[in-house]
Amino acid sequence: NAGVMQNPRHLVRRRGQEARLRCSPMKGHSHVYWYRQLPEEGLKFMVYLQKENIIDESGMPKERFSAEFPKEGPSILRIQQVVRGDSAAYFCASSPARGSGTDTQYFGPGTRLTVL
Amino acid sequence: DQQVKQNSPSLSVQEGRISILNCDYTNSMFDYFLWYKKYPAEGPTFLISISSIKDKNEDGRFTVFLNKSAKHLSLHIVPSQPGDSAVYFCAASEALWGSGAGSYQLTFGKGTKLSVIP
Repeated sequence: NAGVMQNPRHLVRRRGQEARLRCSPMKGHSHVYWYRQLPEEGLKFMVYLQKENIIDESGMPKERFSAEFPKEGPSILRIQQVVRGDSAAYFCASSPARGSGTDTQYFGPGTRLTVL
Repeated sequence: DQQVKQNSPSLSVQEGRISILNCDYTNSMFDYFLWYKKYPAEGPTFLISISSIKDKNEDGRFTVFLNKSAKHLSLHIVPSQPGDSAVYFCAASEALWGSGAGSYQLTFGKGTKLSVIP
């Protein structure tokens, strides 16, 4: 019973390049969340998605960041024209469908993005 | 404006003794609370949760207490073991039960680093 999977685990990009982070939720989970953790900080919510729908993107920067969760395949967090300030650990979490009795979010191992 | 606060950045406890990690929150709409444990270079691991309709939840060595009037919760680990050494995050979300609204986003504290000394 695989947990939440994220790849790559480490990603190095130069300023101005694009970063694509992938997340496959736990089996049976249909809700995906992305969080960002800066050094010495807690995790900050970015976006909440269900299949083919963005439910809440209130934590996403208005520019350069986008997320999707297609009908088939993993959820993707995309950062265009990366800057040094985007360097952080990006965590994906998943939870079962609403009303299943638990709304606990289970986290993946994270992708550590370094922007040179 | 931090809505979830963990005021102790670190805590050291002797093996076998009780570890008590504290968390305060300011948003009165929070009604579901979770504790996660995190090792370096790994994702947070869910430990235990509690909804606002309860004041205590226990799972093995871990017990979470919730004091709604004080907007305070705590995690007790008894007995503490060296493998418990990690960063512990308190998290909260709003309006889960009986509501069709809300995104279930979690708001995290900054974490408390627990060191259990053998």
